[in-house]
Amino acid sequence: KAGVTQTPRYLIKTRGQQVTLSCSPISGHRSVSWYQQTPGQGLQFLFEYFSETQRNKGNFPGRFSGRQFSNSRSEMNVSTLELGDSALYLCASGGVVTDTQYFGPGTRLTVL
Amino acid sequence: AQTVTQSQPEMSVQEAETVTLSCTYDTSENNYYLFWYKQPPSRQMILVIRQEAYKQQNATENRFSVNFQKAAKSFSLKISDSQLGDTAMYFCAFMPRDTGNQFYFGTGTSLTVIP
Repeated sequence: KAGVTQTPRYLIKTRGQQVTLSCSPISGHRSVSWYQQTPGQGLQFLFEYFSETQRNKGNFPGRFSGRQFSNSRSEMNVSTLELGDSALYLCASGGVVTDTQYFGPGTRLTVL
Repeated sequence: AQTVTQSQPEMSVQEAETVTLSCTYDTSENNYYLFWYKQPPSRQMILVIRQEAYKQQNATENRFSVNFQKAAKSFSLKISDSQLGDTAMYFCAFMPRDTGNQFYFGTGTSLTVIP
């Protein structure tokens, strides 16, 4: 089975722009979760989608949004980028019930 | 609220020796999972070991084992016969069982295996 894939792997944007990141889960997995990793804040949960519905949401501003498609692929969007949004964004794929999560390689976002 | 604490920011161990990484957590949940993930310099998060809270038996995976003390809310990771490839950041993570897939991560322990 192919693992979790994330595109793009690296991204450079400027303040005020918006960005869309993509995550394709392991085949058969219906849950996709997103995390932001920064040196200062560590790993923080953004949101989780299951069968196209947002099931959980972390404590991030409304500039961070996501969606999931019928094939379980998920996108995360960040609007009006700020310098503090520079981070490694990880997505994780999981099965039907609460279970082990498998992570993708991440997207490194740099905001200038 | 759930919190996970890793009190050792950095550790080192000689190759072939044994090292134990500490993790404590705080929760009012009764059903949950605990995990250890490693993140090598490549930044890919890799599952090391998983423990279900309702199981009293400690999980083991080859050279990796845990000491799960539910009453003390402690979940330490023991790495035996340490190898150079074990050099990585190790994260302890907690996941409530019935509220979807959401991890609460600790701040991580940077482990260096010295040849």
